[in-house]
Amino acid sequence: AQTVTQSQPEMSVQEAETVTLSCTYDTSESDYYLFWYKQPPSRQMILVIRQEAYKQQNATENRFSVNFQKAAKSFSLKISDSQLGDAAMYFCAYRSAYSGNTPLVFGKGTRLSVIA
Amino acid sequence: KAGVTQTPRYLIKTRGQQVTLSCSPISGHRSVSWYQQTPGQGLQFLFEYFSETQRNKGNFPGRFSGRQFSNSRSEMNVSTLELGDSALYLCASSLYYSRSGANVLTFGAGSRLTVL
Repeated sequence: AQTVTQSQPEMSVQEAETVTLSCTYDTSESDYYLFWYKQPPSRQMILVIRQEAYKQQNATENRFSVNFQKAAKSFSLKISDSQLGDAAMYFCAYRSAYSGNTPLVFGKGTRLSVIA
Repeated sequence: KAGVTQTPRYLIKTRGQQVTLSCSPISGHRSVSWYQQTPGQGLQFLFEYFSETQRNKGNFPGRFSGRQFSNSRSEMNVSTLELGDSALYLCASSLYYSRSGANVLTFGAGSRLTVL
């Protein structure tokens, strides 16, 4: 079974600074997808970024980028120019790429605080 | 385009009662998944429905059940409630049932269940 580990329960960052959230995963599969979801106090999970394991290029979405190290099974999220609205729980998630909608496997989450 | 709608947002039940939660997916989405979120266990997959058929099921007791209607709306039911069932129940919808990673989940804001 796949597992996802987020070793930082809480992180904080100054507004306008850069922060990196860590995520490692364990799998024997070669084809899969990795995700970062954001859950603000409103509770709605919002997709931040997605990475396909077969793509070597790291995904980027505006101020959010990932550092995907497939051999090390590491998938960190970098948030640049942090804003107050970035404060939330961030979840790393894994999904097998085989046919059928396999469930997301989530890490325990990292609570990010942004200091004005 | 309306998002994923979950009702009710909050509810309080007592042990032994049963509860039904509702999820209306994004228009055109045919797959609905349910996840349970608790502080201790994190996010855990309950089940997924596509075309009114359960396609995947997580490791939960038979007290947890669900169904999907012809309009893709889904309900989940928990019978004989226990204190440990207190959680945020999240519903997510997606377009189809293949190519897992390309099939992005869009989450609702959840139903917060408290069991007393």
